[in-house]
Amino acid sequence: QVTLKESGPGILQPSQTLSLTCSFSGFSLSTAGMGVNWIRQPSGKGLEWLAHIYWDDDKHYNPSLKSRLTISKDTSRNQVFLKISSVDTADTATYYCARTVITTWYFDVWGAGTTVTVSS
Amino acid sequence: DIVLTQSPASLAVSLGQRATISCRASQSVSISTYSYMHWYQQKPGQPPKLLIKYASNLESGVPARFSGSGSGTDFTLDIHPVEEEDTATYYCQHSWEIPYTFGGGTKLEIK
Repeated sequence: QVTLKESGPGILQPSQTLSLTCSFSGFSLSTAGMGVNWIRQPSGKGLEWLAHIYWDDDKHYNPSLKSRLTISKDTSRNQVFLKISSVDTADTATYYCARTVITTWYFDVWGAGTTVTVSS
Repeated sequence: DIVLTQSPASLAVSLGQRATISCRASQSVSISTYSYMHWYQQKPGQPPKLLIKYASNLESGVPARFSGSGSGTDFTLDIHPVEEEDTATYYCQHSWEIPYTFGGGTKLEIK
């Protein structure tokens, strides 16, 4: 059974760096084709894809946020990380991680999400 | 970026009737027989759930009352007959190019 779980700081102040962790089980990022995405959703609003990382360390970012995003992985610990620098109130959202397979290009399993509030 | 426009933004459908949701892309997301368009269902307080992949392929475990169609720039999600548990917001998403984008969502209410 594939599961993913996000964790984060809950609340942080403007200009700080947001650090998120996605811990997963049921698949491995050492397996060819596997990938993990980060997607966010402000409360009551739509979904925004942020970034993904694949088994071979290939990474892509949403160009609208690229300068502020860094995605990385720890294959041995089954974890994927996302850092967002210089946060402001517009980064307040629920952040999801979701699995993808490079030959399929859709998000087949999602975590429950972690809520992040940026406030002074 | 490819813009996905969903319509309607909300709809109310009587129990047992048909719900039809449209998604229009700002450019084609199809090539040959493949359409890089997918549909998700999101219930309040839950993450999205994959329903339909590649425009018309039902994800494993999803009830057969859900179906998808379309190609190029115009896609449709149909639910028939609707059940109470189908109350949710539905999103389309393309995977044609980076960045992947989602439609604005369609909120479905069952009367």
